[in-house]
Amino acid sequence: EIVMTQSPATLSVSPGERVTLSCRASQSVSANLAWYQQRPGQAPRLLIYAGSTRATGIPARFSGRGFGTEFTLTISSLQSEDLATYYCQQFNNWPPASFGQGTRLEIK
Amino acid sequence: QVQLQESGPGLVRPSQTLSLTCTVSGDSIKGGGHYWSWIRQHPVRGLEWIGYIYSGGATYYNPSLRSRVTVSLDTARNQFSLNLTSVTAADTAMYFCVRDHLRGFSDSWGQGTLVTVSS
Repeated sequence: EIVMTQSPATLSVSPGERVTLSCRASQSVSANLAWYQQRPGQAPRLLIYAGSTRATGIPARFSGRGFGTEFTLTISSLQSEDLATYYCQQFNNWPPASFGQGTRLEIK
Repeated sequence: QVQLQESGPGLVRPSQTLSLTCTVSGDSIKGGGHYWSWIRQHPVRGLEWIGYIYSGGATYYNPSLRSRVTVSLDTARNQFSLNLTSVTAADTAMYFCVRDHLRGFSDSWGQGTLVTVSS
């Protein structure tokens, strides 16, 4: 099983700030990586797939980069509605999918 | 726009069977364009992919749960279901039904249903 590791676990941020989250795979997943956003009390929502492709309706301030084992999700200018937990997921060796433990964004 | 809605008991006794149903609207589960999956979320262990079913009835289950899991289709009602047998407290989680792209990422999620295993 491919293990996904996200860092940091929690990030204190301010509105308007540029934020970068990291995700590392225990072995190469090529570009087969997705990012999800989970707001409190809600289901996860697909943000990015194939490493860098935004899902339908996702604002341009969200961008993904990476290939192989190292990936990042960047929010160019944080909005209040972006306070959430973000998960990465590999689908290179699928099924089964494997998820990271998440990075939670909180107000500084 | 596809919508998924989970339903089923919120409390299950230990050693019993957890049974949930997902009702899909806005897409046909027999159309063949997606996999129909279950994912659960533990407070501490995080997100765990349980398994999928495809339109023709083909299934795949997470090896960690394979001996206890069954996912089935009801194409007439556009629903799919999860059965998890011999549950313990470790199966307490939020359960989500999801639509999986054929490449393997989850592009639509139900709102989730909390299942507690307790006597």
